[in-house]
Amino acid sequence: EAGVVQSPRYKIIEKKQPVAFWCNPISGHNTLYWYLQNLGQGPELLIRYENEEAVDDSQLPKDRFSAERLKGVDSTLKIQPAELGDSAVYLCASSASGEKNIQYFGAGTRLSVL
Amino acid sequence: GQQVMQIPQYQHVQEGEDFTTYCNSSTTLSNIQWYKQRPGGHPVFLIQLVKSGEVKKQKRLTFQFGEAKKNSSLHITATQTTDVGTYFCNAGKSTFGDGTTLTVKP
Repeated sequence: EAGVVQSPRYKIIEKKQPVAFWCNPISGHNTLYWYLQNLGQGPELLIRYENEEAVDDSQLPKDRFSAERLKGVDSTLKIQPAELGDSAVYLCASSASGEKNIQYFGAGTRLSVL
Repeated sequence: GQQVMQIPQYQHVQEGEDFTTYCNSSTTLSNIQWYKQRPGGHPVFLIQLVKSGEVKKQKRLTFQFGEAKKNSSLHITATQTTDVGTYFCNAGKSTFGDGTTLTVKP
C-alpha cells in the first residue's frame, strides 16, 4: 500500500513569488491534514479536511495561504505571495475514519524563500 | 487553545542508558499519541493511549498515560543508536508538542 505522497520534495523561490504543494493521501483515508514544521518544533496544523470539507482552518493565514481538496482525495496548498518567514517544511498527513487519531505523514516539502 | 509541554527538549545519552520523555497538559486529554521523527524524516506513529493509567510496551519502549489523563511518558530501556530522533506527543486535535530530541553516543 502506498503511503502519503507529497511533491515537490524541495522548493526554492524568491519572496513574493507564489508556490504550491501537492498531497495524495493514503487510499480510502477521509481525513487530510496540512502542517507546517519549523526546525526544532513540532508540526503546527494549518488545515484539516474531512473529505472535501475544511473542518478546521483556524490556523491558516488566509491572507496568503489557500488550500483545496476538490474531490475529497488529493489536495493542494498554495502560498501567494510567499514571505521569508514561510521557509519551513510543509507536511501532509492522512487518517482513516475508523482511526482518526492515527496520522500517516508524507515526506514533506521543504520550502526555502530567498 | 489546548497545549502540551514536552520535557526535556534535548537528551544526550550513552548507548545502553535509559531515556524518558514527558508530555504534560494543563487540561484532561481524551487520548494521546506518540510519534517518532528520525533526522531528516517525517513523523511516524508509534502508539495511542486512551485509558487512565494505561501502560503499553513495544519491545524496549514503555508508554504510560497518567491517572488524571493530563500527562504521559515514553521510556526507552537500554537505548540503541537506532533510537535517535525526535519524539513527539500529540494531544488530540492535532496539537503536537515540540518534541524531545534524543541523541545516542555509541
